[in-house]
Amino acid sequence: DVKVTQSSRYLVKRTGEKVFLECVQDMDHENMFWYRQDPGLGLRLIYFSYDVKMKEKGDIPEGYSVSREKKERFSLILESASTNQTSMYLCASSYGGYDNEQFFGPGTRLTVL
Amino acid sequence: AQSVTQPDIHITVSEGASLELRCNYSYGATPYLFWYVQSPGQGLQLLLKYFSGDTLVQGIKGFEAEFKRSQSSFNLRKPSVHWSDAAEYFCAVVDYTGGGNKLTFGTGTQLKVEL
Repeated sequence: DVKVTQSSRYLVKRTGEKVFLECVQDMDHENMFWYRQDPGLGLRLIYFSYDVKMKEKGDIPEGYSVSREKKERFSLILESASTNQTSMYLCASSYGGYDNEQFFGPGTRLTVL
Repeated sequence: AQSVTQPDIHITVSEGASLELRCNYSYGATPYLFWYVQSPGQGLQLLLKYFSGDTLVQGIKGFEAEFKRSQSSFNLRKPSVHWSDAAEYFCAVVDYTGGGNKLTFGTGTQLKVEL
């Protein structure tokens, strides 16, 4: 089975802290994604990557950056966390091609105080 | 740009009753469409997908969906709901802009099942 793991299920950080969310997939997928999930807004794409060292902005990239140094790992970075970044963060991965499903990790619930 | 609308935020059904969750998409050509389910505290799991061919698609857990181009809809159905189906359901469409296979998600429908 495809496995997408996220480094933490729950995280509490202070305003202004630098926050790293890690995602690892074990199926040699080309594509990886970071989403943010908020009630009533569904999932919104923050960043995605379709190859090592490649990254593309999604719909809401402001306040975030990403890093993909290895194919299996995709990191989301909050350079200076703010309270409005309190949310559920979901990582996903997929093979290339439009007809391939995305496999999701369990999510990280981040609270910024 | 592609968009997805799920008009029902919450739906409550009795166990054993039939279910239909609505999804409307906006896209000029034939879309690639997905339904995902998210159980409490979990990530998303794929229920089914449509790319072409037969407009009635069968998925896991007894779910099916019908693609209707004339109505720009891809509604999810189940003949008899089980208590374990209580979850949030998301419809999604492939976004072709840029690289990769990005998805645009609807805002979700929360399903409650009454025993």
